Amino acid sequence: QQQVKQSPQSLIVQKGGISIINCAYENTAFDYFPWYQQFPGKGPALLIAIRPDVSEKKEGRFTISFNKSAKQFSLHIMDSQPGDSATYFCAARKAAGNKLTFGGGTRVLVKP
Amino acid sequence: GAGVSQTPSNKVTEKGKYVELRCDPISGHTALYWYRQSLGQGPEFLIYFQGTGAADDSGLPNDRFFAVRPEGSVSTLKIQRTERGDSAVYLCASSLATGEQFFGPGTRLTVL
Repeated sequence: QQQVKQSPQSLIVQKGGISIINCAYENTAFDYFPWYQQFPGKGPALLIAIRPDVSEKKEGRFTISFNKSAKQFSLHIMDSQPGDSATYFCAARKAAGNKLTFGGGTRVLVKP
Repeated sequence: GAGVSQTPSNKVTEKGKYVELRCDPISGHTALYWYRQSLGQGPEFLIYFQGTGAADDSGLPNDRFFAVRPEGSVSTLKIQRTERGDSAVYLCASSLATGEQFFGPGTRLTVL
């Protein structure tokens, strides 16, 4: 049972373009939604996170959009750079617990 | 300061053998988590410690897997009678109470 579904599995974007990754969740008990960036051979690193009382959060070139009624959230990477080439994971966490439930990941390749 | 460290970085073992994977969390972090990441997938939760006790071990796949954190700092994940399906990257993360989880680089386990 996949509680957090992520798409696409991979995407290629030109330098300066916008990367968009989408996630959908099923459990309405989730109340914290982080995005992680992972480079090969490294552990995931927190990029940006949002709570469901906010519809959008922006940090630099990274923006999360959140649609509570649709149970969907997305990551937008503006002005994509070759250094952004990595695998991105969305995740969700319940208020009552601390474990993260991850999506399947999106491999992003930014072409120079 | 130092991040989460995991040893060994790579472990190759034979089917049926016993292995131990070690995690050194960030100093002062009370919470410690173990996740397993299979190739091309997102991390999957295994177990979570708050202090010395396992607060949630619902992700351990079967009784061959066991983890300890005897002094509330270093943790060891133990796998008995390893199977080829146990091959994966085992990630450890730590956090302050319910805060952001910081991940280590992982231990890549290969069961031949």
